[in-house]
Amino acid sequence: QAQLVQSGAEVKKPGASVKLSCKASGYTFITYGIHWVRQAPGQRPEWMGWINADNGNTKYSQKMQGRVTISRDTSASTAYMELSSLRSEDTAVYYCTRDPYSSGNWFDSWGQGTLVTVSS
Amino acid sequence: DIQMTQSPSSLSASVGDRVTITCRASQSVATYLNWYQQKPGKAPKVLIFATSSLQSGVPSRFSGSGSGTDFTLTISSLQPEDFATYYCQQSYSTPPTFGQGTKVEIK
Repeated sequence: QAQLVQSGAEVKKPGASVKLSCKASGYTFITYGIHWVRQAPGQRPEWMGWINADNGNTKYSQKMQGRVTISRDTSASTAYMELSSLRSEDTAVYYCTRDPYSSGNWFDSWGQGTLVTVSS
Repeated sequence: DIQMTQSPSSLSASVGDRVTITCRASQSVATYLNWYQQKPGKAPKVLIFATSSLQSGVPSRFSGSGSGTDFTLTISSLQPEDFATYYCQQSYSTPPTFGQGTKVEIK
Protein backbone atom coordinates (compact mmCIF):
# COMPACT_ATOMS: atom_id res chain seq x y z
CA GLN A 1 0.00 0.00 0.00
CA ALA A 2 1.66 3.22 -1.16
CA GLN A 3 1.97 5.90 1.48
CA LEU A 4 3.25 9.46 1.17
CA VAL A 5 4.03 11.29 4.41
CA GLN A 6 4.66 15.01 4.24
CA SER A 7 6.47 17.43 6.53
CA GLY A 8 4.62 19.67 8.93
CA ALA A 9 2.88 23.02 8.62
CA GLU A 10 4.92 26.14 7.90
CA VAL A 11 4.40 29.84 8.52
CA LYS A 12 6.52 32.15 6.38
CA LYS A 13 6.87 35.87 5.76
CA PRO A 14 6.45 37.34 2.28
CA GLY A 15 9.64 37.04 0.25
CA ALA A 16 10.88 33.98 2.13
CA SER A 17 11.29 30.43 0.78
CA VAL A 18 9.85 27.14 1.96
CA LYS A 19 11.04 23.60 1.36
CA LEU A 20 8.62 20.71 1.90
CA SER A 21 9.37 17.01 2.02
CA CYS A 22 7.42 13.93 1.01
CA LYS A 23 8.58 10.50 2.16
CA ALA A 24 7.32 7.53 0.16
CA SER A 25 6.87 4.00 1.45
CA GLY A 26 5.10 0.81 0.41
CA TYR A 27 6.37 0.83 -3.16
CA THR A 28 9.56 1.14 -5.22
CA PHE A 29 10.20 4.88 -5.20
CA ILE A 30 12.00 5.15 -8.55
CA THR A 31 9.25 3.33 -10.45
CA TYR A 32 6.75 6.19 -10.22
CA GLY A 33 6.68 9.93 -10.74
CA ILE A 34 5.90 12.45 -8.03
CA HIS A 35 3.80 15.55 -8.65
CA TRP A 36 3.22 18.50 -6.36
CA VAL A 37 -0.31 19.96 -6.32
CA ARG A 38 -1.50 22.84 -4.18
CA GLN A 39 -4.97 23.93 -3.13
CA ALA A 40 -5.76 27.40 -1.84
CA PRO A 41 -8.73 27.72 0.55
CA GLY A 42 -12.00 27.06 -1.30
CA GLN A 43 -10.23 26.65 -4.63
CA ARG A 44 -9.64 23.82 -7.07
CA PRO A 45 -6.34 21.92 -6.92
CA GLU A 46 -3.52 23.46 -8.97
CA TRP A 47 -0.61 21.51 -10.46
CA MET A 48 2.86 22.83 -9.67
CA GLY A 49 5.29 20.38 -11.17
CA TRP A 50 6.58 16.84 -11.52
CA ILE A 51 9.74 14.83 -11.08
CA ASN A 52 10.76 11.51 -12.57
CA ALA A 53 11.93 9.80 -9.40
CA ASP A 54 14.31 7.58 -11.38
CA ASN A 55 16.33 10.05 -13.46
CA GLY A 56 15.40 13.34 -11.77
CA ASN A 57 13.88 14.97 -14.87
CA THR A 58 11.43 17.72 -13.98
CA LYS A 59 8.58 19.73 -15.48
CA TYR A 60 7.11 22.85 -13.91
CA SER A 61 4.00 24.95 -14.20
CA GLN A 62 4.71 27.98 -16.36
CA LYS A 63 2.86 30.09 -13.81
CA MET A 64 5.40 29.14 -11.14
CA GLN A 65 8.45 28.63 -13.33
CA GLY A 66 11.48 30.17 -11.74
CA ARG A 67 10.05 30.03 -8.22
CA VAL A 68 9.55 26.28 -7.78
CA THR A 69 12.19 23.56 -7.61
CA ILE A 70 11.40 19.87 -7.20
CA SER A 71 14.11 17.40 -6.24
CA ARG A 72 14.43 13.92 -4.80
CA ASP A 73 16.75 11.76 -2.73
CA THR A 74 16.38 8.19 -3.95
CA SER A 75 18.35 6.78 -1.01
CA ALA A 76 15.71 8.24 1.33
CA SER A 77 12.71 7.65 -0.98
CA THR A 78 11.89 11.31 -0.46
CA ALA A 79 10.83 14.10 -2.77
CA TYR A 80 11.15 17.81 -2.04
CA MET A 81 9.47 20.97 -3.27
CA GLU A 82 10.98 24.40 -2.69
CA LEU A 83 8.98 27.55 -3.43
CA SER A 84 10.73 30.91 -3.27
CA SER A 85 9.69 34.57 -3.19
CA LEU A 86 6.57 33.66 -1.25
CA ARG A 87 3.55 35.94 -1.37
CA SER A 88 0.20 35.86 0.38
CA GLU A 89 -1.40 34.15 -2.63
CA ASP A 90 0.85 31.13 -1.99
CA THR A 91 -1.07 30.35 1.21
CA ALA A 92 -2.44 26.89 0.50
CA VAL A 93 -2.30 23.21 1.35
CA TYR A 94 0.49 21.58 -0.63
CA TYR A 95 0.19 17.92 -1.60
CA CYS A 96 2.69 15.48 -3.03
CA THR A 97 1.07 12.84 -5.21
CA ARG A 98 2.16 9.67 -6.97
CA ASP A 99 1.79 9.22 -10.72
CA PRO A 100 1.06 5.55 -11.47
CA TYR A 101 2.47 5.84 -15.01
CA SER A 102 5.50 7.91 -13.97
CA SER A 103 4.43 10.76 -16.28
CA GLY A 104 0.76 9.99 -16.88
CA ASN A 105 -0.36 13.26 -15.28
CA TRP A 106 -2.80 11.72 -12.85
CA PHE A 107 -2.57 10.95 -9.19
CA ASP A 108 -3.34 7.62 -7.52
CA SER A 109 -1.94 8.35 -4.07
CA TRP A 110 -1.75 11.61 -2.12
CA GLY A 111 0.15 12.78 0.91
CA GLN A 112 -1.78 14.17 3.85
CA GLY A 113 -1.00 17.74 2.80
CA THR A 114 1.13 20.51 4.32
CA LEU A 115 -0.43 23.87 5.14
CA VAL A 116 1.81 26.77 4.19
CA THR A 117 0.70 30.16 5.52
CA VAL A 118 2.35 33.29 4.15
CA SER A 119 1.75 36.28 6.35
CA SER A 120 3.63 39.32 7.57
CA ASP B 1 -3.82 25.25 -20.81
CA ILE B 2 -6.97 23.14 -21.10
CA GLN B 3 -9.85 24.61 -19.09
CA MET B 4 -12.17 22.21 -17.26
CA THR B 5 -15.70 23.26 -16.34
CA GLN B 6 -18.06 21.24 -14.17
CA SER B 7 -21.78 21.50 -13.70
CA PRO B 8 -23.50 21.95 -11.45
CA SER B 9 -21.20 23.66 -8.93
CA SER B 10 -23.32 22.23 -6.14
CA LEU B 11 -26.32 19.98 -5.74
CA SER B 12 -28.55 18.69 -2.98
CA ALA B 13 -29.59 15.06 -3.05
CA SER B 14 -31.00 12.37 -0.80
CA VAL B 15 -29.57 9.00 0.14
CA GLY B 16 -30.51 6.55 -2.60
CA ASP B 17 -30.71 9.18 -5.34
CA ARG B 18 -28.99 8.81 -8.70
CA VAL B 19 -26.55 11.69 -9.15
CA THR B 20 -24.87 12.86 -12.35
CA ILE B 21 -22.06 15.41 -12.59
CA THR B 22 -20.82 16.71 -15.91
CA CYS B 23 -17.40 17.96 -16.94
CA ARG B 24 -16.52 19.80 -20.12
CA ALA B 25 -13.03 20.40 -21.50
CA SER B 26 -12.09 23.46 -23.56
CA GLN B 27 -10.56 21.13 -26.17
CA SER B 28 -10.50 17.41 -26.73
CA VAL B 29 -8.80 15.35 -24.04
CA ALA B 30 -9.68 12.02 -25.73
CA THR B 31 -10.38 9.73 -22.76
CA TYR B 32 -7.68 11.18 -20.48
CA LEU B 33 -10.17 12.24 -17.85
CA ASN B 34 -10.12 11.37 -14.16
CA TRP B 35 -12.47 11.94 -11.23
CA TYR B 36 -11.56 12.62 -7.59
CA GLN B 37 -13.55 12.82 -4.37
CA GLN B 38 -12.51 15.19 -1.61
CA LYS B 39 -13.91 15.39 1.91
CA PRO B 40 -13.33 18.42 4.15
CA GLY B 41 -9.79 18.60 5.50
CA LYS B 42 -8.67 15.57 3.50
CA ALA B 43 -6.65 15.01 0.34
CA PRO B 44 -8.51 14.18 -2.87
CA LYS B 45 -8.90 10.51 -3.68
CA VAL B 46 -9.09 9.12 -7.21
CA LEU B 47 -12.34 7.34 -8.04
CA ILE B 48 -12.13 6.85 -11.80
CA PHE B 49 -9.25 7.15 -14.24
CA ALA B 50 -9.17 7.13 -18.04
CA THR B 51 -12.85 8.16 -18.18
CA SER B 52 -14.39 4.89 -17.03
CA SER B 53 -11.86 2.71 -15.18
CA LEU B 54 -12.75 2.23 -11.53
CA GLN B 55 -9.82 2.66 -9.15
CA SER B 56 -9.18 -0.37 -6.94
CA GLY B 57 -11.34 -0.32 -3.83
CA VAL B 58 -13.88 2.19 -5.15
CA PRO B 59 -17.51 1.02 -4.93
CA SER B 60 -19.21 0.01 -8.16
CA ARG B 61 -21.99 2.61 -7.68
CA PHE B 62 -19.48 5.08 -9.17
CA SER B 63 -19.16 5.10 -12.94
CA GLY B 64 -17.82 7.40 -15.63
CA SER B 65 -18.40 7.93 -19.33
CA GLY B 66 -17.65 10.29 -22.19
CA SER B 67 -14.93 11.18 -24.65
CA GLY B 68 -13.50 14.22 -26.38
CA THR B 69 -14.81 17.22 -24.48
CA ASP B 70 -17.85 15.95 -22.54
CA PHE B 71 -17.78 13.58 -19.58
CA THR B 72 -20.03 12.43 -16.77
CA LEU B 73 -19.60 10.93 -13.33
CA THR B 74 -22.61 8.99 -12.09
CA ILE B 75 -23.35 7.76 -8.59
CA SER B 76 -26.09 5.18 -9.02
CA SER B 77 -27.41 5.24 -5.44
CA LEU B 78 -26.04 7.96 -3.21
CA GLN B 79 -24.75 6.79 0.17
CA PRO B 80 -24.12 8.88 3.31
CA GLU B 81 -20.35 8.64 2.83
CA ASP B 82 -20.62 10.10 -0.70
CA PHE B 83 -21.37 13.63 0.46
CA ALA B 84 -18.23 15.41 -0.65
CA THR B 85 -16.77 17.59 -3.39
CA TYR B 86 -15.97 15.97 -6.74
CA TYR B 87 -13.36 17.18 -9.21
CA CYS B 88 -12.68 16.18 -12.78
CA GLN B 89 -9.09 16.42 -14.05
CA GLN B 90 -7.59 16.08 -17.51
CA SER B 91 -4.35 14.17 -17.96
CA TYR B 92 -4.16 14.65 -21.73
CA SER B 93 -1.60 17.42 -21.64
CA THR B 94 0.72 19.33 -19.33
CA PRO B 95 -0.24 21.10 -17.17
CA PRO B 96 -2.87 18.72 -15.82
CA THR B 97 -5.89 20.83 -14.86
CA PHE B 98 -8.91 20.39 -12.61
CA GLY B 99 -12.53 21.46 -12.79
CA GLN B 100 -13.84 23.88 -10.19
CA GLY B 101 -15.55 21.11 -8.26
CA THR B 102 -19.11 19.97 -7.56
CA LYS B 103 -20.21 19.91 -3.94
CA VAL B 104 -22.75 17.18 -3.20
CA GLU B 105 -24.81 18.07 -0.14
CA ILE B 106 -27.53 16.34 1.82
CA LYS B 107 -31.08 17.37 0.93
